[in-house]
Amino acid sequence: EPEVTQTPSHQVTQMGQEVILRCVPISNHLYFYWYRQILGQKVEFLVSFYNNEISEKSEIFDDQFSVERPDGSNFTLKIRSTKLEDSAMYFCASRGASGKETQYFGPGTRLLVL
Amino acid sequence: AQKVTQAQTEISVVEKEDVTLDCVYETRDTTYYLFWYKQPPSGELVFLIRRNSFDEQNEISGRYSWNFQKSTSSFNFTITASQVVDSAVYFCALSYLLQGAQKLVFGQGTRLTINP
Repeated sequence: EPEVTQTPSHQVTQMGQEVILRCVPISNHLYFYWYRQILGQKVEFLVSFYNNEISEKSEIFDDQFSVERPDGSNFTLKIRSTKLEDSAMYFCASRGASGKETQYFGPGTRLLVL
Repeated sequence: AQKVTQAQTEISVVEKEDVTLDCVYETRDTTYYLFWYKQPPSGELVFLIRRNSFDEQNEISGRYSWNFQKSTSSFNFTITASQVVDSAVYFCALSYLLQGAQKLVFGQGTRLTINP
């Protein structure tokens, strides 16, 4: 069964450093998402991406964040200058073209900013 | 604005008991989807069910059942004869049905512990 994959599973970085989180969505999916879950809290929407551009973003997704689909398979989230409060689990999700499709999530990347 | 409320922060029951997780939602949209996801201790989000706003039929899948009531804006989830492996955090979520980004709005989650 096709699945969303994410790398790395864990990342530890120093405050102020740049990190890139990688995702490989399900191959025939067209909508891509990043969500964040701070430890013990709910899952929060960050950004959605369709047709090579951002279709919607939340207030959390400020200028420090960017997304890219550099090739036909990867979808990345970049945090330019990490802050302590960026420590969280980051989930990638994807879904097909139809409005009736379900979003399927990757296993997540746990980011720790020291 | 869309909002999902899961008032039960934590529930603890003994194995084989039935347990119901509550979910109440708010939306101005007339067409929308409701979801339940399971987050086991390993951390991933596992899709359990999706219902659209036009379909109020209850659904049963094995030990799991869902009760969607539009009149009370609720989408409750019942586990019958609970097992230790059901221990997880369960999230209810909402998205709108029309084309577009369809971001998911999650509730705070209910941590379910099934004790042997």
